[in-house]
Amino acid sequence: GAGVSQSPSNKVTEKGKDVELRCDPISGHTALYWYRQSLGQGLEFLIYFQGNSAPDKSGLPSDRFSAERTGGSVSTLTIQRTQQEDSAVYLCASSLSGRGGFGLTEAFFGQGTRLTVV
Amino acid sequence: GESVGLHLPTLSVQEGDNSIINCAYSNSASDYFIWYKQESGKGPQFIIDIRSNMDKRQGQRVTVLLNKTVKHLSLQIAATQPGDSAVYFCAELHNTDKLIFGTGTRLQVFP
Repeated sequence: GAGVSQSPSNKVTEKGKDVELRCDPISGHTALYWYRQSLGQGLEFLIYFQGNSAPDKSGLPSDRFSAERTGGSVSTLTIQRTQQEDSAVYLCASSLSGRGGFGLTEAFFGQGTRLTVV
Repeated sequence: GESVGLHLPTLSVQEGDNSIINCAYSNSASDYFIWYKQESGKGPQFIIDIRSNMDKRQGQRVTVLLNKTVKHLSLQIAATQPGDSAVYFCAELHNTDKLIFGTGTRLQVFP
């Protein structure tokens, strides 16, 4: 696709349910990031995938959060036993490389998934 | 979660004036910095980047200044327009190759 695609765009779930959020990065991008953005706040780093390297999971807030990236492309962020504090916009971004010359590090963002836990 | 400290949050300017948005970062090992613009309901969009071996870089109507001595980054927008109204984030690239974002500054442009 032309850009990073995330689905669903909105998700309302009941407390205690599991949810899966999907990210389709730009084709050929080796780096993929997940961030969480609460209302009026900054972007909280969650997890980072780079090629075939082990992902950097240091930002995941609890063991209820996990993410996979299959075949170096599509990524799924799973939140188990959702809590109300999980309500936020979850943003995915991809880039050609985690590091490079000017422009190569540019991360392109999707529109995000707005998760509401009721 | 990790974030770059950003002294914050709302900057109001008149259309046509210059805007200066500031950011403090904490990791002296970071060697790459980026400014992003986020409009309401959208994901952040890249504006301009700078390497740590530079202290200034210019784009179209925007200039980024880097002061490594005090770990400070700024974004200058010349002749601010209503379309510049958004939240602006600075981000740093750690040596682990992950982008860490600041809290953000909301820029409001008045006619």
